[in-house]
Amino acid sequence: EAGVAQSPRYKIIEKRQSVAFWCNPISGHATLYWYQQILGQGPKLLIQFQNNGVVDDSQLPKDRFSAERLKGVDSTLKIQPAKLEDSAVYLCASSFTGRSTDTQYFGPGTRLTVL
Amino acid sequence: AQSVAQPEDQVNVAEGNPLTVKCTYSVSGNPYLFWYVQYPNRGLQFLLKYITGDNLVKGSYGFEAEFNKSQTSFHLKKPSALVSDSALYFCAVRDGDRGSTLGRLYFGRGTQLTVWP
Repeated sequence: EAGVAQSPRYKIIEKRQSVAFWCNPISGHATLYWYQQILGQGPKLLIQFQNNGVVDDSQLPKDRFSAERLKGVDSTLKIQPAKLEDSAVYLCASSFTGRSTDTQYFGPGTRLTVL
Repeated sequence: AQSVAQPEDQVNVAEGNPLTVKCTYSVSGNPYLFWYVQYPNRGLQFLLKYITGDNLVKGSYGFEAEFNKSQTSFHLKKPSALVSDSALYFCAVRDGDRGSTLGRLYFGRGTQLTVWP
């Protein structure tokens, strides 16, 4: 079974530029998550989708971050404009149903460096 | 509020010795607890989880964890460490009473495990 796919793996941009990350979850998984992992910290949830609807985006900085999952499969996370503090690894995860008991499976992440 | 504490930033053990990575949690409802491992430049890999039932949970690669409700702990253990176990380990908790699709996963800061030959 293929795992969660993410691209690109690395991205370097200057502040105030825009950037987009792509995620393709495990086939058949209804729930998709985007996490931000700052160096030295654990991952923090940015947004959770159930199929193509948003379940939780309370921690998403909506003035600069946006995300979509139009057909209920793959997803894109965008930052515009980027700030220095956005430097982090952005992890995508998916789970089968989204129930609290479900395991979340993570992709390899995208390492963003904002200069 | 939900939170996870991993009191040790670093754990060092010799190969063949038992290892323990500590985790304590705080959650208002029933805790669902998870352990993940992260190798350099890779995402998080699931090791094991506690939902209900037996307090001793067995997982991947010979790891196990013991749920202790009175001490609000979920320590990760392995009887005999391998050099290849060296990685960053994360404990996470979810509030099981938050409903079927709510209840975010809260992660600790991680513990770097180093196993020397």
